[in-house]
Amino acid sequence: DTGVSQDPRHKITKRGQNVTFRCDPISEHNRLYWYRQTLGQGPEFLTYFQNEAQLEKSRLLSDRFSAERPKGSFSTLEIQRTEQGDSAMYLCASSLDPAARYTQYFGPGTRLTVL
Amino acid sequence: DQQVKQNSPSLSVQEGRISILNCDYTNSMFDYFLWYKKYPAEGPTFLISISSIKDKNEDGRFTVFLNKSAKHLSLHIVPSQPGDSAVYFCAASQDDYKLSFGAGTTVTVRA
Repeated sequence: DTGVSQDPRHKITKRGQNVTFRCDPISEHNRLYWYRQTLGQGPEFLTYFQNEAQLEKSRLLSDRFSAERPKGSFSTLEIQRTEQGDSAMYLCASSLDPAARYTQYFGPGTRLTVL
Repeated sequence: DQQVKQNSPSLSVQEGRISILNCDYTNSMFDYFLWYKKYPAEGPTFLISISSIKDKNEDGRFTVFLNKSAKHLSLHIVPSQPGDSAVYFCAASQDDYKLSFGAGTTVTVRA
């Protein structure tokens, strides 16, 4: 049973560049979530998918951010024109609805540093 | 607006003793509460949860207590072990998709 995986684990980029992160959920999980965690804070909800449909987006998700989950499997999170304030850990989680609707299983995260 | 608060950023406890972690929330619509544990370089891992219709849930060495009138929950770890040294996050939900997290409490278990 493989858990949630994320790639890359670390990304360093220059301000203004675009970056894309990938998340592979637990295989049978139909829900996928993205969170962002900054230093000294807990994870903050960004968006989630039920299968391939993106059902909710936080106001934290500016129009520079876009997430997709084609075919309801892996997901990508793209940040365009990165800013230094985007530096954070980006966490992906998945869950199986409705059997364990509140228990989300997290991946190791992608740490983004914007110089 | 921080709806889930963990006011103690750190806790140090001797091995074998009880660890008590506290969490307060402001949103009365929260109906499910969870604790996650996080080691460095790993994502948070689910530890234990409790529904708002209960006031206690126990799983091995871990017990979560919920006081709805005080909007307060706590996690008890008995006995504490060196492997329990980690960051613990309290989380809450009022729907079935979004978790609101506290800032975390770093627990250090001393030998």
